[in-house]
Amino acid sequence: GQQLNQSPQSMFIQEGEDVSMNCTSSSIFNTWLWYKQDPGEGPVLLIALYKAGELTSNGRLTAQFGITRKDSFLNISASIPSDVGIYFCAGPRGSQGNLIFGKGTKLSVKP
Amino acid sequence: DAGITQSPRHKVTETGTPVTLRCHQTENHRYMYWYRQDPGHGLRLIHYSYGVKDTDKGEVSDGYSVSRSKTEDFLLTLESATSSQTSVYFCAISEPGLAGYNEQFFGPGTRLTVL
Repeated sequence: GQQLNQSPQSMFIQEGEDVSMNCTSSSIFNTWLWYKQDPGEGPVLLIALYKAGELTSNGRLTAQFGITRKDSFLNISASIPSDVGIYFCAGPRGSQGNLIFGKGTKLSVKP
Repeated sequence: DAGITQSPRHKVTETGTPVTLRCHQTENHRYMYWYRQDPGHGLRLIHYSYGVKDTDKGEVSDGYSVSRSKTEDFLLTLESATSSQTSVYFCAISEPGLAGYNEQFFGPGTRLTVL
């Protein structure tokens, strides 16, 4: 069945560094979504991508819809302590708006 | 704030007891979803609803039932709770539109422990 693989699973970075993470799929997607989850809270939608090759920014976050439609990338520039959390990618599964989620990339920042 | 509340936020119960979790939205969105989140598995869809009294199964529906008698409320019921249902449960909503109904917005979650 469909699977989303996120890489890396976790990372530690120095404050101020740029961060890159990616998500790959075994099948083609027409939508990619990126969420962030803080401890004890629900996931929050960061960026939605709807077109192959699309590059979309939200503040210091930039996400790209891969041209093969089987991958997506999320970059965070100049990381700060509040960037700590788990980042999930997601894509549609079947109809009715159902989503499949990756297992997440856990980001920890050293102050 | 997507106008989603979940109740209770925390619950401890014993194996074999029935449990009902409630999701309430104020945005009048058509689609509502129940997920569970477990370490190593990420978020997995349990059931979803595409309108009042219209529901369907997700990836991990065994042992769960749902009901939606009003647009604003989506209930998840564990008829006889088991320890394997210890998890964090999230409700989400979405609405078909220009942006597509794939954009889901999540509630704060309910942490359920089954002893």
